[in-house]
Amino acid sequence: QKEVEQNSGPLSVPEGAIASLNCTYSDRGSQSFFWYRQYSGKSPELIMSIYSNGDKEDGRFTAQLNKASQYVSLLIRDSQPSDSATYLCAVADTGNQFYFGTGTSLTVIP
Amino acid sequence: GAGVSQSPSNKVTEKGKDVELRCDPISGHTALYWYRQSLGQGLEFLIYFQGNSAPDKSGLPSDRFSAERTGGSVSTLTIQRTQQEDSAVYLCASSRRGRDQPQHFGDGTRLSIL
Repeated sequence: QKEVEQNSGPLSVPEGAIASLNCTYSDRGSQSFFWYRQYSGKSPELIMSIYSNGDKEDGRFTAQLNKASQYVSLLIRDSQPSDSATYLCAVADTGNQFYFGTGTSLTVIP
Repeated sequence: GAGVSQSPSNKVTEKGKDVELRCDPISGHTALYWYRQSLGQGLEFLIYFQGNSAPDKSGLPSDRFSAERTGGSVSTLTIQRTQQEDSAVYLCASSRRGRDQPQHFGDGTRLSIL
């Protein structure tokens, strides 16, 4: 059984701070890693993807991947109240099958 | 460009009735996925179609659930003899073939069983 683990939270950070979201996965054969944001009552939307070890930056978002530790994280710099949402970690295997974590709820306090 | 389209957006039905939920994926996307999300919960995988290959049905919770995909495009998820525990948001996603291709989600169908 391929598993993706996330802390459910809730994680609260003050506006302007860095929010750090973490995810671990069980399948060493995993190929692709994604972060989705889901606002309450809405469907998930893709915010970051990462495929190689190291960091990938996109605006205020940085994804970090460490395949040896089977760990992927998302950093949100200068957090804004509009970043308050549930963040889902997704891991894809070679067959394009996706495995989602249960999500971490983030609240950014003004 | 058009995203993943799901219909209906909301469905209310009586226990015991059958329901059909529709998903129209993004043009050119060969992979299509169905998920269920109960209130405050994570995504529960239901079924996965990839091109003309046999679907991965390993997530279907019971034989009351079935899905088909016609012509490699539109998919229909059918729930027979609905139960109250079937109440949830049913999400469809599609992606291109390839290990680095993300899923793109539709807005979902909110199903309520009375």
